[in-house]
Amino acid sequence: GQQLNQSPQSMFIQEGEDVSMNCTSSSIFNTWLWYKQDPGEGPVLLIALYKAGELTSNGRLTAQFGITRKDSFLNISASIPSDVGIYFCAGRTYAGNNRKLIWGLGTSLAVNP
Amino acid sequence: GAGVSQSPSNKVTEKGKDVELRCDPISGHTALYWYRQSLGQGLEFLIYFQGNSAPDKSGLPSDRFSAERTGGSVSTLTIQRTQQEDSAVYLCASSLVSLAGFSTDTQYFGPGTRLTVL
Repeated sequence: GQQLNQSPQSMFIQEGEDVSMNCTSSSIFNTWLWYKQDPGEGPVLLIALYKAGELTSNGRLTAQFGITRKDSFLNISASIPSDVGIYFCAGRTYAGNNRKLIWGLGTSLAVNP
Repeated sequence: GAGVSQSPSNKVTEKGKDVELRCDPISGHTALYWYRQSLGQGLEFLIYFQGNSAPDKSGLPSDRFSAERTGGSVSTLTIQRTQQEDSAVYLCASSLVSLAGFSTDTQYFGPGTRLTVL
């Protein structure tokens, strides 16, 4: 099925560094979502974006809805060990009765204390 | 608890056997999704239930996979004649549905069932 291009696939950083990851799509989305999955758990929503150009923060996390509606990025500032996990982007169009989310393959983040 | 629960948490089965995976969504959530996540991979959509509407089965990989949702609450995903490639974590998520009929964006996930087919 359709998937988003999410990059990078994995990152290994030092504690305190900033992190940036992004997702791109060939389709226009009306919603962009960022989730985090801890080991052995289901994904948890971090940030939801609904408007082109929208910039939203949640603590040390900042995400933006690209102006073209075909991309989004997530930044994490001053990373800490508990930021470790897999970060997924997901997008949704509202064409017809489409309710499904389209998911990226994830960015695996490792933080070295 | 108030979250989505799934059972069993782990299931080991022999090739060719049938398995049933259960999902208890958050009370009041009318939308329910099943996903499959292979090791190191993203989420693969399987099936979507919304109220009394016909489920969206477009993601089911073969006719060995089926799911039902009884009474608009608990859902069971059944895999018949399991194959080794069915080994994965099966995640269930539920969400509210707005008055407009579209699910809200926050899908609440259960912890998943890890299925291993020997």
